[in-house]
Amino acid sequence: ILNVEQSPQSLHVQEGDSTNFTCSFPSSNFYALHWYRWETAKSPEALFVMTLNGDEKKKGRISATLNTKEGYSYLYIKGSQPEDSATYLCAYAGNNRKLIWGLGTSLAVNP
Amino acid sequence: DVKVTQSSRYLVKRTGEKVFLECVQDMDHENMFWYRQDPGLGLRLIYFSYDVKMKEKGDIPEGYSVSREKKERFSLILESASTNQTSMYLCASSLDSNAVEKLFFGSGTQLSVL
Repeated sequence: ILNVEQSPQSLHVQEGDSTNFTCSFPSSNFYALHWYRWETAKSPEALFVMTLNGDEKKKGRISATLNTKEGYSYLYIKGSQPEDSATYLCAYAGNNRKLIWGLGTSLAVNP
Repeated sequence: DVKVTQSSRYLVKRTGEKVFLECVQDMDHENMFWYRQDPGLGLRLIYFSYDVKMKEKGDIPEGYSVSREKKERFSLILESASTNQTSMYLCASSLDSNAVEKLFFGSGTQLSVL
């Protein structure tokens, strides 16, 4: 059974703190890794799609790294703001191109 | 702004009713997906479609069917709703089905089956 695990399950930080979370996935047959942000009552929104080992992507204060050989990706948020409060989802695709989703990390940023 | 629109945000139905969940995208995407989200479980794929009138079963198709008569519209049908189909339903679309294209999601339909 292929598993995608995200940790921590939830996180509370103060405004201005930097934070990071992990997505672990099978290290074999890797094809792609997706990160999404899902704010309450809104649509999940794509942050990054990563395909290459060692890839680093950045979007404003949010960045992500990818290690396909050991099967993990980190998502970093620098200087968290209240509007960063959301659930962050990752999804792994193997050679069959089907996305397998993690349960998400719920981030709450206190002003 | 590109958009995936789901027809209802909240829906309450009775056991045995036939339920239609509608999804429309304005991006001319070939691929459309229906997922459900339940507490403690990751998003699970119900059905997807890679072209008009084409459909493929996802991981949990039992109790559901779909319709894609036009490129922009993908409907999820619960033939006879049951309480275990109470869930958040998310529609998504993408340019390609090769998993390197990001998904665009609707805002979800919270369905309660009583």
